[in-house]
Amino acid sequence: DGGITQSPKYLFRKEGQNVTLSCEQNLNHDAMYWYRQDPGQGLRLIYYSQIVNDFQKGDIAEGYSVSREKKESFPLTVTSAQKNPTAFYLCASSQDPRRKSYEQYFGPGTRLTVT
Amino acid sequence: GENVEQHPSTLSVQEGDSAVIKCTYSDSASNYFPWYKQELGKRPQLIIDIRSNVGEKKDQRIAVTLNKTAKHFSLHITETQPEDSAVYFCAASGFKTSYDKVIFGPGTSLSVIP
Repeated sequence: DGGITQSPKYLFRKEGQNVTLSCEQNLNHDAMYWYRQDPGQGLRLIYYSQIVNDFQKGDIAEGYSVSREKKESFPLTVTSAQKNPTAFYLCASSQDPRRKSYEQYFGPGTRLTVT
Repeated sequence: GENVEQHPSTLSVQEGDSAVIKCTYSDSASNYFPWYKQELGKRPQLIIDIRSNVGEKKDQRIAVTLNKTAKHFSLHITETQPEDSAVYFCAASGFKTSYDKVIFGPGTSLSVIP
């Protein structure tokens, strides 16, 4: 299970506050992804990054922001503009899909509760 | 835009029977189709995948088939066991708009009844 970590496991915030979720990988993977998981809706893509200092919006990027200053790290900020932020957030990484393995390795997830 | 549909959303089978989960995708440029298994409280893990230049792939009790013309792909689990109970997600990538983007289906909750 090692290689990609997320912290913390549980996070509680008051409405109106921004919160940053951590994702770190030591697999030397080029691509990193953030997904949101809600019951019955599967894994929905928030943002992804193919290379340092570059990232693209997924299907539900509104109210979220990311950065990719280092290859190993891809933090996700849930802003106060996100209407329904309470969810389970999963980070994943993969080697350059165009040249190597496509397999995504997932972190253990962070469950965010906003009240 | 890119879309992946998955059916059924829930599936119950008797131990020893087969289970089939079907997915469809919208972007004909998609070229990679993985299946992930997520056990309760755990992270998703890849169980099998198939690329667009292959029609079928098998790994012990699981197999995946791909029909590029119809834009369908399916997961087949034979001789199901209680430990196969989990949520299964199909996915697609290699889209025209972004090669590295991965889109998942909504998932199928499989229950294997002993």
